[in-house]
Amino acid sequence: EDQVTQSPEALRLQEGESSSLNCSYTVSGLRGLFWYRQDPGKGPEFLFTLYSAGEEKEKERLKATLTKKESFLHITAPKPEDSATYLCAVQAGGGSNYKLTFGKGTLLTVNP
Amino acid sequence: DGGITQSPKYLFRKEGQNVTLSCEQNLNHDAMYWYRQDPGQGLRLIYYSQIVNDFQKGDIAEGYSVSREKKESFPLTVTSAQKNPTAFYLCASSIAAGIAGELFFGEGSRLTVL
Repeated sequence: EDQVTQSPEALRLQEGESSSLNCSYTVSGLRGLFWYRQDPGKGPEFLFTLYSAGEEKEKERLKATLTKKESFLHITAPKPEDSATYLCAVQAGGGSNYKLTFGKGTLLTVNP
Repeated sequence: DGGITQSPKYLFRKEGQNVTLSCEQNLNHDAMYWYRQDPGQGLRLIYYSQIVNDFQKGDIAEGYSVSREKKESFPLTVTSAQKNPTAFYLCASSIAAGIAGELFFGEGSRLTVL
């Protein structure tokens, strides 16, 4: 069974204090790993897709990386508007697999 | 602007009642999905549809039903058979089912059973 574990569950940072969120996964053949941002009471917003170990993607203050067992979302010099829940999901490869397995998320709070 | 519209945003239901959640998209996406989100749990797939007039069960389809009569619309009915329907329901779409990871989500519908 595919599994996704995100850590920490919650993270509180001061504005400008860089850190990383972790997403560990076990999947039978990775088709893709996905990061989303979710604001309270809203639907998730797609951020990144990573397909293979060693791949990196960047967007503003966010950088996502991928190894064979985990992915990191690095946040550089965060601002209060980066506060949100960050979700990680994986899609297994092979056949007609349209199912994503989501982690429980990391709640990030950035204080001014 | 293109996007996904879910309605209603908040819905209250008495036990034993069926309710239908609306989901409309104008992104011209082929695939649509319904997810359920509960506190402390990851999103779970209820149903998905790759094309008009076709849909498949996800991991937690029991007590739910869907239809896909138009490309733009994918309504979800929460039936009285769903034992614990109080949750946040999210509709999503993707360009094609094979790109199921790059999802566009609606704003969600919060269902509370009284």
